[in-house]
Amino acid sequence: AQSVAQPEDQVNVAEGNPLTVKCTYSVSGNPYLFWYVQYPNRGLQFLLKYITGDNLVKGSYGFEAEFNKSQTSFHLKKPSALVSDSALYFCAVRDTYAGAGSYQLTFGKGTKLSVIP
Amino acid sequence: DSGVTQTPKHLITATGQRVTLRCSPRSGDLSVYWYQQSLDQGLQFLIQYYNGEERAKGNILERFSAQQFPDLHSELNLSSLELGDSALYFCASSEGVGDNQPQHFGDGTRLSIL
Repeated sequence: AQSVAQPEDQVNVAEGNPLTVKCTYSVSGNPYLFWYVQYPNRGLQFLLKYITGDNLVKGSYGFEAEFNKSQTSFHLKKPSALVSDSALYFCAVRDTYAGAGSYQLTFGKGTKLSVIP
Repeated sequence: DSGVTQTPKHLITATGQRVTLRCSPRSGDLSVYWYQQSLDQGLQFLIQYYNGEERAKGNILERFSAQQFPDLHSELNLSSLELGDSALYFCASSEGVGDNQPQHFGDGTRLSIL
């Protein structure tokens, strides 16, 4: 079964500092990986995805994520945090193994990012 | 704006009642997904429809049902409501069956059971 873990419930970072939101996953085959952001009273917004190819994926709003197969991780990063980046971030995974039997995404529990002015 | 429309935004009702949540997917998207978001359970996948047919089921209770109509809009029906059904219900859509494509989420329906 596919699973994803976001080990930190909350991450605090000062404005202008680099930020990292961690994600690790477990699949039987190769993963499709996604990051989403949720602002208060809004739905999830797609940020970026890893399907195949370059391990460093660039997405919306200056975010990027690095796929690391050996560590089964897909951490979200941004070089310089903005106060407006404060939100809830979700990592999601789908197992491409044919026997997985599902096209469904499994979401992590979410990490609340607070950027302090 | 994701292009996914959910109505109503808020719904307050009592235990034992039945409600219907509506979702219009992004133009051109054939898949519709329903999720439940609560503080203790996080984001739980309920069910997926693709072009009118049920594609996958997740943690959906037997009291809940859904359908996708020929115009591709979808409805989620919740019956015999219990206090624990209070949550945010999200609809998402994607172009195909959901292979490597991102899902686009609506802003949700907040359901409160009194």
